[in-house]
Amino acid sequence: QQQVKQSPQSLIVQKGGISIINCAYENTAFDYFPWYQQFPGKGPALLIAIRPDVSEKKEGRFTISFNKSAKQFSLHIMDSQPGDSATYFCAASWGNEKLTFGTGTRLTIIP
Amino acid sequence: DTGVSQDPRHKITKRGQNVTFRCDPISEHNRLYWYRQTLGQGPEFLTYFQNEAQLEKSRLLSDRFSAERPKGSFSTLEIQRTEQGDSAMYLCASSKEFSTNEKLFFGSGTQLSVL
Repeated sequence: QQQVKQSPQSLIVQKGGISIINCAYENTAFDYFPWYQQFPGKGPALLIAIRPDVSEKKEGRFTISFNKSAKQFSLHIMDSQPGDSATYFCAASWGNEKLTFGTGTRLTIIP
Repeated sequence: DTGVSQDPRHKITKRGQNVTFRCDPISEHNRLYWYRQTLGQGPEFLTYFQNEAQLEKSRLLSDRFSAERPKGSFSTLEIQRTEQGDSAMYLCASSKEFSTNEKLFFGSGTQLSVL
């Protein structure tokens, strides 16, 4: 069974702080690891993605850290803003095929 | 590029009825996916098409579920004899090809409630 385990289930961060969400996977064949952001009533939208040949990828305030040996990857949101309040999903796939999603993290940014 | 469109946005039905959802992908996207999302969970893969060919179906897709993409453009997902356990958000997504440089674009989903 291909699984992606995500934690925490919910997270509250003060405005300006760093939000960190973690994921772990089991299938070593996975070669694509995206993060999706979902607002209520909307479908998920791709935020940032990484391949296992690099250990870190940064786009603006969003950074993915990837640890291949530990089979873990994480999303860091720097200078978190109220507009970042959403549900975040990690996912994984291999061979350009379907995504397997984590269970989601509900992020709330408080003033 | 108007995005992935799904219709209806909401559907309430009684147990045992049949329902059909429609998805219009981004034009010229040849891959189309159906996912199901229940409250507090991530999307779960149901099936996908490469043009009009249905290439894979999940074990989640029981015999009561059928999906089509007759001309390689829009797709329909039909659920026959609905059950309360079918209540979920049904998401459609499309991509040109699912590769390093291509995004998977999701629609806003169809929320199904089976009473």
